[in-house]
Amino acid sequence: LAKTTQPISMDSYEGQEVNITCSHNNIATNDYITWYQQFPSQGPRFIIQGYKTKVTNEVASLFIPADRKSSTLSLPRVSLSDTAVYYCLVGPANTGGFKTIFGAGTRLFVKA
Amino acid sequence: DVKVTQSSRYLVKRTGEKVFLECVQDMDHENMFWYRQDPGLGLRLIYFSYDVKMKEKGDIPEGYSVSREKKERFSLILESASTNQTSMYLCASSPPSGREETQYFGPGTRLLVL
Repeated sequence: LAKTTQPISMDSYEGQEVNITCSHNNIATNDYITWYQQFPSQGPRFIIQGYKTKVTNEVASLFIPADRKSSTLSLPRVSLSDTAVYYCLVGPANTGGFKTIFGAGTRLFVKA
Repeated sequence: DVKVTQSSRYLVKRTGEKVFLECVQDMDHENMFWYRQDPGLGLRLIYFSYDVKMKEKGDIPEGYSVSREKKERFSLILESASTNQTSMYLCASSPPSGREETQYFGPGTRLLVL
């Protein structure tokens, strides 16, 4: 199983763009990269998923270089409500999520 | 929207008690999961079920058992609660195997074992 490494914490200010990078050097060919967000006292919720290049949705963008050994979650113009823990997961498809591993995540703190 | 509910948000139990944590999902998902979350350790998978009456051990199954008698319900059982099982317990479900490996989580149950 591919292990992920991401910063323990990050600080930002409202209105800034935040980029959280995740390293996954041992990613396998059939692995997807998924990011979750968790607010205090809530379960994680899915943000975005990708396999290669760039994926964008209404919440975030995910940049994946050609070698796929890292990925960057980009949150445009963060607000105080984006303060949360962000998890990067790598796992194969077609397993129902069983083979994915949640690490300690990155705690993002957005200041006014 | 997928809804995953857990029977309690907070529980206080005594050492040695048998504890049941219930989880229900309303999206007809095949897969259901139980995790525990502790500070600095992220989420750790306890058990996983991919169908009714089917279960697989996760990373930390010791001291826990599970039951899946109906597709929508997945129960976590602490046969004899211990203080080191004080934690946040999270249930999740996901659709059948496919490209989207999205898990939908419940709000969590914070268990305190005294």
